[in-house]
Amino acid sequence: SQTIHQWPATLVQPVGSPLSLECTVEGTSNPNLYWYRQAAGRGLQLLFYSVGIGQISSEVPQNLSASRPQDRQFILSSKKLLLSDSGFYLCAWRSGRWNTEAFFGQGTRLTVV
Amino acid sequence: DAKTTQPPSMDCAEGRAANLPCNHSTISGNEYVYWYRQIHSQGPQYIIHGLKNNETNEMASLIITEDRKSSTLILPHATLRDTAVYYCIVRVGVNSNSGYALNFGKGTSLLVTP
Repeated sequence: SQTIHQWPATLVQPVGSPLSLECTVEGTSNPNLYWYRQAAGRGLQLLFYSVGIGQISSEVPQNLSASRPQDRQFILSSKKLLLSDSGFYLCAWRSGRWNTEAFFGQGTRLTVV
Repeated sequence: DAKTTQPPSMDCAEGRAANLPCNHSTISGNEYVYWYRQIHSQGPQYIIHGLKNNETNEMASLIITEDRKSSTLILPHATLRDTAVYYCIVRVGVNSNSGYALNFGKGTSLLVTP
């Protein structure tokens, strides 16, 4: 069966520090991968998606970047965190075939102080 | 993708059916209706999806009107663990530029009470 792992679960980082959040998927190949962010009291905002290794698309301009060094690995990064980067970050995957559901990780709660 | 409209919040008594409405009046012929829910501090969980026929699975039923401009998610016997934010999403079922990404709105916050 397929599983998605996202870590860490919680993270407190000072302003200006770097960030690296990792997401890996098991039990499937060539998945579509996604990073979402949920600010306090708000809906989920799509940040990045990837349909293959090295292929990254950004949905909104921001202080973050994403990379996909391996088929089932998706990394969210920042060189210098801002207070506004605080939020709940979620990784998700779905099959590359159409009309399939997406599966989400358990999320990372990031607090920038 | 078509935009959806949901009530911001609803209450339901434990053991009763929870009926969550969703309007998607601009839906086009090839767009599916998906439902997800998000329990506090967890990732969203897939519930059900459909195109034009009513659908049922072990979690819920999805009723789509004949003109497909609205739908209702039914939890037949709500429990306290069903308290969550429920998202109705309309998305094309064919290749798109966003890698089939789901665009979440604010959803409906369902509170199941004892």
